Amino acid sequence: GQQVQQSPTSLVLQEGENAELQCNFSTSLNSMQWFYQRPGGSLISVFYNPSGTKQSGRLTSTTVIKERRSSLHISSSQITDSGTYLCAMERDSGYNKLTFGKGTVLLVSP
Amino acid sequence: EAAVTQSPRSKVAVTGGKVTLSCHQTNNHDYMYWYRQDTGHGLRLIHYSYVADSTEKGDIPDGYKASRPSQENFSLILELASLSQTAVYFCASRPQGAGQDTQYFGPGTRLLVL
Repeated sequence: GQQVQQSPTSLVLQEGENAELQCNFSTSLNSMQWFYQRPGGSLISVFYNPSGTKQSGRLTSTTVIKERRSSLHISSSQITDSGTYLCAMERDSGYNKLTFGKGTVLLVSP
Repeated sequence: EAAVTQSPRSKVAVTGGKVTLSCHQTNNHDYMYWYRQDTGHGLRLIHYSYVADSTEKGDIPDGYKASRPSQENFSLILELASLSQTAVYFCASRPQGAGQDTQYFGPGTRLLVL
């Protein structure tokens, strides 16, 4: 079955609203990562977060390994935040292989 | 800044034909990966390599071969392209070992098999 489950599948916000994206994983892992992808674009790393809470500007990631979950919080959303957010778990089987969730498509409207 | 390039950026292939996707990185990274992205599936790992002249199977290797002739170059080969291999393909590289680092992705290759 799916090892990495993301929710929600899609999300529509008005500019200025906050967003909470969730990621749950079903197997043991080394760390959790979050990536951002523009439509038709490549993936850009947002957070490498093996555990605890990390913040970068308006983005905050919290990973709780023993509960097998990670979240990405976006505060005061902007139109430019629109795109797909993917979480990925780094497996503990070596070589830093990643298993991705299916992503959350975020649309921020004016 | 990490630099991973892919060629071609898009390609139309015929069923049964041979397709080679190329990836080049200038990061001096040991690890390289090939993923495919499909609607509804996210990204899935096809092949990876941790050293030149060696490749390993990922999660969905069937129908694909990989080649790593040098540290900088990693190719994905579809010997007999099929309709089901229509997808966007991403290459990535990463430094070896532990540490808080991530994979650096190329811009992707959009492949359409007709």
